[in-house]
Amino acid sequence: QVHLVQSGAEVKKPGASVKVSCKTSGFTFTSYGISWVRQAPGQGLEWVGWVSGYNGATNYAQNFRGRVTMTIDTPTTTAYMELRSLTPDDTAVYYCARDRSSSARENWGQGTLVTVSS
Amino acid sequence: QSVLTQPPSVSAAPGQTVTISCSGSSSNIGNNYVSWYQQFPGTAPKLLIYDSGSRPSGIPDRFSGSKSDTSATLGITGLQTGDEADYYCGTWDTSLNAAVFGGGTKLTVL
Repeated sequence: QVHLVQSGAEVKKPGASVKVSCKTSGFTFTSYGISWVRQAPGQGLEWVGWVSGYNGATNYAQNFRGRVTMTIDTPTTTAYMELRSLTPDDTAVYYCARDRSSSARENWGQGTLVTVSS
Repeated sequence: QSVLTQPPSVSAAPGQTVTISCSGSSSNIGNNYVSWYQQFPGTAPKLLIYDSGSRPSGIPDRFSGSKSDTSATLGITGLQTGDEADYYCGTWDTSLNAAVFGGGTKLTVL
């Protein structure tokens, strides 16, 4: 079955960067895209962006352009999201998800809590 | 401020039927499929409905989805206490070139 396993919780200071990994299994990695979605404490879901498992092409949400980089490592079927210039407003649980289509995220990782605090 | 609009909360008694609405525009719901997600506290969202009305394998037929013009609806029949959760709608927004979500609806089963 499909699994997405994310790296552990992170605590960062304002201005720092964080890189979250998403190790996948149970499907053909190169046939799907991976979306990253975040959820601030007590808030709703916010799409951060998408990376193609086929060729590493990316599409980032406007709010994150210039500050986020999504990459893949095909041999290990792992996706990565790096977010730079962190502020306390970036404190959230970050999820990776396998996309069924542009409109649907079918399988989700367990989430990675990123806390930004001085 | 979410691109898609959902009621903050809905409630109904066990065994009853509840609907959750999701309102958008022509750039999102009006021209794209809608998905619905269920999320329990402290856990990742789970896909309930995709392509506006299709269920992934393992999702009971008590859950249904529909779409009309720029709005979508999630229906849940035979409510159970275990259905108490947050529900989110999602779709693609062609103008934003981005995936978008509703603000979420908290379902209480009284």
